[in-house]
Amino acid sequence: AQSVTQLGSHVSVSEGALVLLRCNYSSSVPPYLFWYVQYPNQGLQLLLKYTSAATLVKGINGFEAEFKKSETSFHLTKPSAHMSDAAEYFCAVNSGNTPLVFGKGTRLSVIA
Amino acid sequence: DVKVTQSSRYLVKRTGEKVFLECVQDMDHENMFWYRQDPGLGLRLIYFSYDVKMKEKGDIPEGYSVSREKKERFSLILESASTNQTSMYLCASRPTDANTGELFFGEGSRLTVL
Repeated sequence: AQSVTQLGSHVSVSEGALVLLRCNYSSSVPPYLFWYVQYPNQGLQLLLKYTSAATLVKGINGFEAEFKKSETSFHLTKPSAHMSDAAEYFCAVNSGNTPLVFGKGTRLSVIA
Repeated sequence: DVKVTQSSRYLVKRTGEKVFLECVQDMDHENMFWYRQDPGLGLRLIYFSYDVKMKEKGDIPEGYSVSREKKERFSLILESASTNQTSMYLCASRPTDANTGELFFGEGSRLTVL
């Protein structure tokens, strides 16, 4: 079985500061990993995905994530937070054609 | 662009009512999914379908059923709504040959059961 743990249900950063959202996964097979973002009253939008190519993955809106097999981690980062980054972020895992398994989400607040 | 449309953004129903949540996708995707989203619990898989007339139970199927009569449409049915089914429901789709497994989501249906 696959699972995802997101550390921190709520993260607050100042505008311009580094954003770091943590995700650890468990999988008995090589995983595919995803980060999705959800703005208020909207569905989920894909930020980026890891599919066994480059371990450093760049996504939309300046976000990136690094796959670290030794640490079973896929943390999401952005060098400089913007007010528009305030949203809920979900990490997810699967092994290709299986359903995605999601973490519980991290709400990001950006303080002016 | 892939479009996944959920027919109702907001619904208010009474306990015991039968509720239909409709989802339509326009990209000829084989796979479709229903998740429910609750604060602090993330997204939990209710049912999914890999093809027309096929359905598989997810992690929390109790109290729900689904229908997939046409490839583009996947309906979630609450046979007798209860207050603990008050939630945000998210539909998603993807093609079978997507080796990455990425899902495309609708905007969600927020259901309140009184």
